[in-house]
Parts: sequence; C-alpha cells; structure tokens
Amino acid sequence: NAGVTQTPKFRVLKTGQSMTLLCAQDMNHEYMYWYRQDPGMGLRLIHYSVGEGTTAKGEVPDGYNVSRLKKQNFLLGLESAAPSQTSVYFCASKGAGHYNEQFFGPGTRLTVL
Amino acid sequence: AQKITQTQPGMFVQEKEAVTLDCTYDTSDPSYGLFWYKQPSSGEMIFLIYQGSYDQQNATEGRYSLNFQKARKSANLVISASQLGDSAMYFCAMREPSSDDMRFGAGTRLTVKP
Repeated sequence: NAGVTQTPKFRVLKTGQSMTLLCAQDMNHEYMYWYRQDPGMGLRLIHYSVGEGTTAKGEVPDGYNVSRLKKQNFLLGLESAAPSQTSVYFCASKGAGHYNEQFFGPGTRLTVL
Repeated sequence: AQKITQTQPGMFVQEKEAVTLDCTYDTSDPSYGLFWYKQPSSGEMIFLIYQGSYDQQNATEGRYSLNFQKARKSANLVISASQLGDSAMYFCAMREPSSDDMRFGAGTRLTVKP
C-alpha cells in the first residue's frame, strides 16, 4: 500500500518547456488535489477532482491543466513553463467523507530557469 | 480575505516543555472542519489532528491536543512534552461544507531546543 506517490521528485525546466507531473493513489479515493507550496504562503490549490473524468479550478489555476482519466491518477500539466512556476508541488487525495483528512504525496520540486 | 491565519512565523520551545501554536480562522458556515498538519524538513505532509465545529470536546491525539474556542474562531495546537523530532513546519487548515477545497495557513516553524 504505497498511499500517494508523485513522479518525478525533482525537475529542472527551461522557460517555455512543457512537462507533466503524475500523481497516483491506491486508496480508491474519489477526491484528488494539486497544490503548490511557496515560502511563507502555505499550500495553495491549483486544481482538483471530485471523481474520475471531472476536474475543477482551485485558487491558482492559471498556467496549469489537469486530467483525471483514471480514478487512481491525477496529472498536472505545464504547457509553457515560467519562472513563476518554480515551486514544490504536492498531490493529495481524500475519501468521500467531507471532513476526511487529505493524504499527501512526497512532493515534486520544480525549478524553471 | 484570509481564511486561516497563523500569526507566529517561528516558535522556539525547550525540549520536554509544552508549546501552543496559534490558528485563527474565518467562516460564516456553522459547520466546518479544522485540521493540523506537520511538515518536517524531509518535506512530506503528515496529518496530526482534526476538530469538527460541532464536536463537544477538544480533539486529542497522543501528545497533540487542540484548544478549540469556537466563539473566538481559534483552533490552537498544543504539543505537550516537546521532542527534538517535533521540529518542523506546522500548518492549520479548514474545510467548509460549501467547498471541496481545504484552505491552509502560512504555517509556523517550530524549533525544539535540547
């Protein structure tokens, strides 16, 4: 039981390059989330999904796209990376109960030069 | 408007002493959930404790307890008998019934001194 896993753990991009971050969970959770963490700002929600085939915008969605084709996977895409997207990205998942805690992945450290 | 406020960017505590990390929140919903997470230097987010707005008693989990004062909209985390391994960032978060989102505070960095 791996919980929530993220691929890759580290990545360095040049401005304008694209990439996809993969999140996978094996807990059969309905809800999945992508956050970014910047110094002094806590975690901010980028996009989330309440079930397979659904996605919704969070607090800071610009410059990102997501897809949830399978229940266990949630992909975060950067089509044209910018230095402002340098951050640590966390994926999380949660069961159906509204006040269930979220389980987090280990994070992906992304640097855009 | 800031939903979750953690006013202490950094805190120090002597090993074996208790420490309180502050969290205030803003909501007009009568029903909500409050969470605390720990983030050690290794980076992972670890769930610590949960308090529901209708819970009659303050939540406790081992050395962690939540000082929940609903009228003041505060949900302070109390760590008793601090250990060196408690040194980490601590985040307070809230989920409201009208939202699928969980809002996080900016965090408090706790350092436990030997």
